[in-house]
Amino acid sequence: DTAVSQTPKYLVTQMGNDKSIKCEQNLGHDTMYWYKQDSKKFLKIMFSYNNKELIINETVPNRFSPKSPDKAHLNLHINSLELGDSAVYFCASSPLGGGIGELFFGEGSRLTVL
Amino acid sequence: AQSVTQPDIHITVSEGASLELRCNYSYGATPYLFWYVQSPGQGLQLLLKYFSGDTLVQGIKGFEAEFKRSQSSFNLRKPSVHWSDAAEYFCAVGQTGTASKLTFGTGTRLQVTL
Repeated sequence: DTAVSQTPKYLVTQMGNDKSIKCEQNLGHDTMYWYKQDSKKFLKIMFSYNNKELIINETVPNRFSPKSPDKAHLNLHINSLELGDSAVYFCASSPLGGGIGELFFGEGSRLTVL
Repeated sequence: AQSVTQPDIHITVSEGASLELRCNYSYGATPYLFWYVQSPGQGLQLLLKYFSGDTLVQGIKGFEAEFKRSQSSFNLRKPSVHWSDAAEYFCAVGQTGTASKLTFGTGTRLQVTL
């Protein structure tokens, strides 16, 4: 059983399109995250949800809209895709909301914008 | 603001040789420190973490790291590298509070020659 699963694993799309990435965790964790890894492998946090409530929004453009229907799911919708959005997007979950706990990562979703 | 520096972008070692990957952090309070490994096309996996106590921490796959407050460092070591250790290694520092998050370094790519 995959602990943190993301779909799709690969996305290739044209500029201006809208796309979504889904994430599910079966670990029972309260906190979920989206991280973006650029072409130089730099990982930067985008969003964090704790039990469906947005707690971190790291100055991400409004075109990115996370949604957490329940604490086991965190989806990422991106509108009007731009070339610079090309990256690998990682979902992660953690057992501790207000403290520091280990992050459990999904395998990533590689987005390529042409 | 917290930050992490990994001075070595790329390191090559021979199989069986020892390894040390450097990590320096900047954080105002007691840091929570992590090392993650990313194999090609995969998500990140936790190798080890330091929260408090013994400054030498043991992790999975034979890795260890030593926290040195005076040097603001958390270097990762392995006495004898295996070819399967070739991967990208990330150091991270954790921020506590109502919105806990990890800040990652830029990573060190490890190549192992046979």
